[in-house]
Amino acid sequence: GAVVSQHPSRVICKSGTSVKIECRSLDFQATTMFWYRQFPKQSLMLMATSNEGSKATYEQGVEKDKFLINHASLTLSTLTVTSAHPEDSSFYICSASNPRPSGRSYEQYFGPGTRLTVT
Amino acid sequence: KNQVEQSPQSLIILEGKNCTLQCNYTVSPFSNLRWYKQDTGRGPVSLTIMTFSENTKSNGRYTATLDADTKQSSLHITASQLSDSASYICVVSARLTSNTGKLIFGQGTTLQVKP
Repeated sequence: GAVVSQHPSRVICKSGTSVKIECRSLDFQATTMFWYRQFPKQSLMLMATSNEGSKATYEQGVEKDKFLINHASLTLSTLTVTSAHPEDSSFYICSASNPRPSGRSYEQYFGPGTRLTVT
Repeated sequence: KNQVEQSPQSLIILEGKNCTLQCNYTVSPFSNLRWYKQDTGRGPVSLTIMTFSENTKSNGRYTATLDADTKQSSLHITASQLSDSASYICVVSARLTSNTGKLIFGQGTTLQVKP
């Protein structure tokens, strides 16, 4: 099956610094990648959708200048949390999809997540 | 407003017992419905995906049902194992284009299987 990896799995950074999270589709080309944030005991919240080679589309309330997304290739997307603050501490999950031909369901494969702790 | 509601919020069962999780949705236009299993500190893993025309789909000990008329789905787990302890998330895809959609997530049901 399709595999999506994330790196790092855990990161601790100091307040005010930036941290980059990588999301890779290992055995398929992902035309679209998604970034989610999940707080404890809550479900996933979509932050942004990125298509390879174009700017990401951010959900309402998500600051595009704070959460920089780059989708430079069909197998790699990065999320950079700039000037991180303790309230940015969360579980960040990416997913990747490769839309199927019209009329067929497409699958979205999730990465294992990255636990970010800002001190 | 597109919404997915799951019940119960949490559930504790004994190993070997069966259980059923519920999902109600108001999503339009409907594309498909998925059930995911999420272990603590891990990303979701797909269990089943059903389109409008599918009433039931099985994946091992997991069986999902879909009633598109009443907009309800269930996930039945048979002969539960300790490894089934996880959060189960119902996700409905709202169709955006002919081959893309937006996922609407339920809050999840936390299942704990005790020996």
